[in-house]
Amino acid sequence: ELKVEQNPLFLSMQEGKNYTIYCNYSTTSDRLYWYRQDPGKSLESLFVLLSNGAVKQEGRLMASLDTKARLSTLHITAAVHDLSATYFCAVDSSGPYSGGGADGLTFGKGTHLIIQP
Amino acid sequence: DTGVSQDPRHKITKRGQNVTFRCDPISEHNRLYWYRQTLGQGPEFLTYFQNEAQLEKSRLLSDRFSAERPKGSFSTLEIQRTEQGDSAMYLCASSLGTDVEAFFGQGTRLTVV
Repeated sequence: ELKVEQNPLFLSMQEGKNYTIYCNYSTTSDRLYWYRQDPGKSLESLFVLLSNGAVKQEGRLMASLDTKARLSTLHITAAVHDLSATYFCAVDSSGPYSGGGADGLTFGKGTHLIIQP
Repeated sequence: DTGVSQDPRHKITKRGQNVTFRCDPISEHNRLYWYRQTLGQGPEFLTYFQNEAQLEKSRLLSDRFSAERPKGSFSTLEIQRTEQGDSAMYLCASSLGTDVEAFFGQGTRLTVV
């Protein structure tokens, strides 16, 4: 059974600081997704990482994937209050010939991020 | 609005009643997913359609749950004989093809009293 673990689960930080959220998973996969969820809202896609060594950046957020270590990171640079949200990583463990998406995604528990002015 | 649409947004029902939720995916998205999310947890996969075919069901989907996607367009998720443990947010998502992000709807929040 695929397990996805995020840490930390809760993070309070000040504006202007840098921090990294970690996502470890238990089985072979080269497809990992990061989502953001605001309170009472649905999930917003942030990044799609599809190969070992993939790195993507959008604004103050940068995500990377190391499939050998089964680890993805979401790095926040010079945090601002608007980035306060819950961040989820999700792993697709289906094989490349399964049609993708079968079994759906396995999500971590999320990292609840609060950025204080 | 061309996003994933779910209806209703909120549903309160008495234990033992049946409920049905609807999801309208993004037009032309061939893949449709149902997830369940409880407070403080990540979404849990329930089931998945490719066009009208239901290809995968999680063990979380007991016999009381059934999902359909007639004609490969909208989908419904029905829960029969609801239990308090069914209280959760039910999320629908759709995607086009493989290895792309799924777009999530706003969800239906179910409360069983």
